[in-house]
Amino acid sequence: EDKVVQSPLSLVVHEGDTVTLNCSYEVTNFRSLLWYKQEKKAPTFLFMLTSSGIEKKSGRLSSILDKKELFSILNITATQTGDSAVYLCASDTNAGKSTFGDGTTLTVKP
Amino acid sequence: DAGITQSPRHKVTETGTPVTLRCHQTENHRYMYWYRQDPGHGLRLIHYSYGVKDTDKGEVSDGYSVSRSKTEDFLLTLESATSSQTSVYFCAISEVPSGIGTQYFGPGTRLLVL
Repeated sequence: EDKVVQSPLSLVVHEGDTVTLNCSYEVTNFRSLLWYKQEKKAPTFLFMLTSSGIEKKSGRLSSILDKKELFSILNITATQTGDSAVYLCASDTNAGKSTFGDGTTLTVKP
Repeated sequence: DAGITQSPRHKVTETGTPVTLRCHQTENHRYMYWYRQDPGHGLRLIHYSYGVKDTDKGEVSDGYSVSRSKTEDFLLTLESATSSQTSVYFCAISEVPSGIGTQYFGPGTRLLVL
């Protein structure tokens, strides 16, 4: 059975802090790893990672995949209150199915 | 935003009644998905479709059926609703199979089964 585990489950930081969110996976026929941000509504896409060691970056957010150790991290630097959300990690397979982790709830305090 | 709508957005129903949720897209994407999300949990795939009349089961398909008679519509039916099916249901679409491209999510339907 495919499995995706995220840690920590929740995190409280102050504005300006840097955070690292973790995602490990055990998936048959792995194809890609995706990160989403969910703010009390539908998830929105952040990154899709298919190759090991290549960092994807978007502003203060970055992510990298390690296909040997089967994990990914999402970094957020200089956090802002608008970064408060649930961050979801999902693994996709060649069969076209997605398995999601339970999410990390990030709270950024002013 | 991708053109995805879900209806109804909120529904309260009683145990044992059938319920149908509708997902409608204007993007002409081939792939459509139904997920449920429960408090403190990520999304779990119920059913998905890879074309008109082509559907397959996800990891939590028991008690649910789907139909796709047109590209733009994907219906999820709870045959006899139970309290354990109280959840938020999200529809998603993608142009290519999941894993090659991203999925775009609809706004969700909150379902309460009493």
